[in-house]
Amino acid sequence: EDQVTQSPEALRLQEGESSSLNCSYTVSGLRGLFWYRQDPGKGPEFLFTLYSAGEEKEKERLKATLTKKESFLHITAPKPEDSATYLCAVGTNYGQNFVFGPGTRLSVLP
Amino acid sequence: DAGVTQSPTHLIKTRGQQVTLRCSPKSGHDTVSWYQQALGQGPQFIFQYYEEEERQRGNFPDRFSGHQFPNYSSELNVNALLLGDSALYLCASSSGTNSPLHFGNGTRLTVT
Repeated sequence: EDQVTQSPEALRLQEGESSSLNCSYTVSGLRGLFWYRQDPGKGPEFLFTLYSAGEEKEKERLKATLTKKESFLHITAPKPEDSATYLCAVGTNYGQNFVFGPGTRLSVLP
Repeated sequence: DAGVTQSPTHLIKTRGQQVTLRCSPKSGHDTVSWYQQALGQGPQFIFQYYEEEERQRGNFPDRFSGHQFPNYSSELNVNALLLGDSALYLCASSSGTNSPLHFGNGTRLTVT
């Protein structure tokens, strides 16, 4: 069964304190790994797609990396506006759906 | 360029009732997927529609049904509502098999 886990469940950072979020996955064939940001009361907002091990994507203070078993979302010098829940999802080769992890709730304190 | 729009934004229903949620996809997208998100959890796949047909279904009972119209908009119907159906229902649209999902802001359904 396809499975996605994320750690930590919640993370509190001081403004400027860099850290990483982890997404571990078990799938029979990876079609792509996707990172989303979700603000309270809103739908998830697409951030990155990674397709193969070794691939990296960057956007402002965020950088996503991918290995054969996991992905990391690195946050450099975060600001309070980076506070949100970060979700990762995987697409598999045999289905059209995406399997989501439970998310990491990030709080960045000023 | 309008993104994914969902209606209504909030809904309160009584156990046993039926509900219909609506979704208009992002311009240029032909595929619509529905997800259920319980509080504090990640979205769970309900089903996906493409060319007006259900292409794939997640582990949800037959009480959950849907429809896609020729203009690609979609409806999610839930019959015989249970308290456990209370959740945020998200619609997502996409184009192409491996393209990312673009989500609406969801419909918050409360069953009392």
